Amino acid sequence: DTGVSQDPRHKITKRGQNVTFRCDPISEHNRLYWYRQTLGQGPEFLTYFQNEAQLEKSRLLSDRFSAERPKGSFSTLEIQRTEQGDSAMYLCASSDTKAGEQFFGPGTRLTVL
Amino acid sequence: QKEVEQDPGPLSVPEGAIVSLNCTYSNSAFQYFMWYRQYSRKGPELLMYTYSSGNKEDGRFTAQVDKSSKYISLFIRDSQPSDSATYLCAMKKGVFTDKLIFGTGTRLQVFP
Repeated sequence: DTGVSQDPRHKITKRGQNVTFRCDPISEHNRLYWYRQTLGQGPEFLTYFQNEAQLEKSRLLSDRFSAERPKGSFSTLEIQRTEQGDSAMYLCASSDTKAGEQFFGPGTRLTVL
Repeated sequence: QKEVEQDPGPLSVPEGAIVSLNCTYSNSAFQYFMWYRQYSRKGPELLMYTYSSGNKEDGRFTAQVDKSSKYISLFIRDSQPSDSATYLCAMKKGVFTDKLIFGTGTRLQVFP
């Protein structure tokens, strides 16, 4: 399967803990995106990369959130000092052209207790 | 006011019906329009991708874009129970940003 993969699929953590999610894009896709989706809402944009460069960050991405794509392949999204409001589905997508389609992974569901 | 408005439903139809799903938007800068299907607790799956105004057909799915009215539609012909899912419209403003703006999604139920 050459689709977007995300790990872990589910994460349960206690408030105040740090969590890290990984996304592996479709091979040779140079653009990678992170979105967050809460229940009953559409995904909301967080940030995106072209190769290893982070080109745009949403105001939703507070100082507790950081994303990296060190070698232009996989990406990680870290949330420090998690809060209950961080509970959501974190989605990763990738695309290969500036105006191209974005293909999503299965998501990582985060529950903060 | 949200940039993209979408009726959350649920929309319940019998098998074989023609389904019409719609979104309106407020920003005329949007140029690329997409429809995604999302099953419960799964990632969104791209169904249709269109640029500017007009129609696009793919199997049982037809996407329509009316930029003058800021209105997009997805039609599903001969609906099946397996079409039961949430349908998300999404759009972006063009070459200077890749950020997708989504509607809230419409939940569709197709009953046998």
